Amino acid sequence: DAGVIQSPRHEVTEMGQEVTLRCKPISGHDYLFWYRQTMMRGLELLIYFNNNVPIDDSGMPEDRFSAKMPNASFSTLKIQPSEPRDSAVYFCASSLALSGGGGGEQYFGPGTRLTVT
Amino acid sequence: DQQVKQNSPSLSVQEGRISILNCDYTNSMFDYFLWYKKYPAEGPTFLISISSIKDKNEDGRFTVFLNKSAKHLSLHIVPSQPGDSAVYFCAASEGAGSYQLTFGKGTKLSVIP
Repeated sequence: DAGVIQSPRHEVTEMGQEVTLRCKPISGHDYLFWYRQTMMRGLELLIYFNNNVPIDDSGMPEDRFSAKMPNASFSTLKIQPSEPRDSAVYFCASSLALSGGGGGEQYFGPGTRLTVT
Repeated sequence: DQQVKQNSPSLSVQEGRISILNCDYTNSMFDYFLWYKKYPAEGPTFLISISSIKDKNEDGRFTVFLNKSAKHLSLHIVPSQPGDSAVYFCAASEGAGSYQLTFGKGTKLSVIP
């Protein structure tokens, strides 16, 4: 199993540019999550999908951020326009549906390190 | 306001000794807790979890203890090995079937050979 795949691994862009981060979840997983990690705020959940449908986007910081999941094997997180304060590591994770209990094991990708200058 | 707190940013332990990583939470609705381990340039990987109906869960060298009244959990690693050197994140979720994890900021563990 290839695990969760994210691209690019590193992205450097100028303020005002559009940035698109990509994620391929583990095949067969029902849930997909986007997280952001910063020194100040740690690891924060931005949005998550179930069967390609966005369930909760309350963690998305601003309207500049948007996420889509057009099919079960692909998701994007877009920032438009980007700002220096968006600089962070963005992780994608996926998991199986649970028959009971909360949380559960999420499998994380290696992350995309975004730098906005 | 941080709902999951890991008050020790770093911890150094001698190889072979016990490592104890601590985590406190403020949300009384949290009822499922997880520990993740993260190496540099990699994503977090799941280590061990515990439900609020238990006070202990063990998996090999790793044991998690939960004290609900104190809203405190800890991860014990015995014996510690150099390969355990990583950042450890505590995470929590509320409600049965909740997929929303709230993470602490992490504790960097260094195991000295």
